[in-house]
Amino acid sequence: AQRVTQPEKLLSVFKGAPVELKCNYSYSGSPELFWYVQYSRQRLQLLLRHISRESIKGFTADLNKGETSFHLKKPFAQEEDSAMYYCALSGSGYSTLTFGKGTMLLVSP
Amino acid sequence: EAGVAQSPRYKIIEKRQSVAFWCNPISGHATLYWYQQILGQGPKLLIQFQNNGVVDDSQLPKDRFSAERLKGVDSTLKIQPAKLEDSAVYLCASSLDLGGGREQYFGPGTRLTVT
Repeated sequence: AQRVTQPEKLLSVFKGAPVELKCNYSYSGSPELFWYVQYSRQRLQLLLRHISRESIKGFTADLNKGETSFHLKKPFAQEEDSAMYYCALSGSGYSTLTFGKGTMLLVSP
Repeated sequence: EAGVAQSPRYKIIEKRQSVAFWCNPISGHATLYWYQQILGQGPKLLIQFQNNGVVDDSQLPKDRFSAERLKGVDSTLKIQPAKLEDSAVYLCASSLDLGGGREQYFGPGTRLTVT
């Protein structure tokens, strides 16, 4: 069975502070990991995926197979980063996603 | 390009009534998904279609939920009869195909309240 754990329901930081949203997973094979984001009154949308190894809106995430983690990081948070963030996993070669419960990020001025 | 469309956006029904949701995916997307998102939870896959065939419906409560995608484009999800615990947001998503790593594009969702 595959499982995604996001231990924090809410993360509140001040503008300019570093941000780390935690994600741990359980999967027996080689997973593909994603971060999806939902801004207020907008649709759920893809932020980044581990296979792309890209930085989107200043966010990065590294897959750590030893620790089975895929934490999302940004060195300097902006107010417009306030949103709900979901970590998601799919089995290698498949598109079905298993989502975590999500973490609400609030960035205060 | 136009995004995934869903209707209605909101629906309030009494328990034991039936309800149907409609989804129109992005043009050319072969794979369509229905998710259920209960308050405070992440989306949970209910059913996945590839064109008009079912790929995965292992988490669909088949005694009350049904879904179809007859012509490989639009899809409907039905609940009959509804229970209080079916109150949730129902999300439709589509992707180009089944391939791993494919981005899923989500619709705005239908918020269902069962009273």
